Amino acid sequence: AQSVTQPDIHITVSEGASLELRCNYSYGATPYLFWYVQSPGQGLQLLLKYFSGDTLVQGIKGFEAEFKRSQSSFNLRKPSVHWSDAAEYFCAVGARKLVFGKGTKLTVNP
Amino acid sequence: NAGVTQTPKFQVLKTGQSMTLQCAQDMNHEYMSWYRQDPGMGLRLIHYSVGAGITDQGEVPNGYNVSRSTTEDFPLRLLSAAPSQTSVYFCASRNGAGGGPYGYTFGSGTRLTVV
Repeated sequence: AQSVTQPDIHITVSEGASLELRCNYSYGATPYLFWYVQSPGQGLQLLLKYFSGDTLVQGIKGFEAEFKRSQSSFNLRKPSVHWSDAAEYFCAVGARKLVFGKGTKLTVNP
Repeated sequence: NAGVTQTPKFQVLKTGQSMTLQCAQDMNHEYMSWYRQDPGMGLRLIHYSVGAGITDQGEVPNGYNVSRSTTEDFPLRLLSAAPSQTSVYFCASRNGAGGGPYGYTFGSGTRLTVV
């Protein structure tokens, strides 16, 4: 069965620092992988997705993610975090049924 | 272009009451789904539909019913509300009936409290 693990429940970084959010997945075939962001009281917004090709994918808001098949990982990165990036981030895997991780809450200190 | 519209935004129910959460999309998406979000649990799939007249169960379908009579609408019915159904409910849609690298468009959610 497909599953997603986000090991970090909560991460705090300083504004301007780099960010990496971890995601590990279990999936029987070539996965479709996604990162979503949720601001408080809002729905989810798609940051980026991977389905094939270049293993480094670029998304909106300056985010990128790297697919590593050997490690079953799809970590999200940003070189320099802005205060407006404070939100909850969800990794997801799947095709017809999308399975989400439990999320990582990001706090950004000024 | 409204995207995915969910109504109501907030609802309080008494145990045993029934209600319908509405979801409508104007993007002509074939695939629609309902998720519930609970603290520390992420999003869990309740039901989904790959087109009008076709629905299937997700991870947590018990206590919920769905139907899809049109491409645009995918209502979620709570048959007899229980406190365990207190949650935030999200409707999402995407292109493609089958699998595919299509990002979902989410509604803004319905916050349901069952007392």
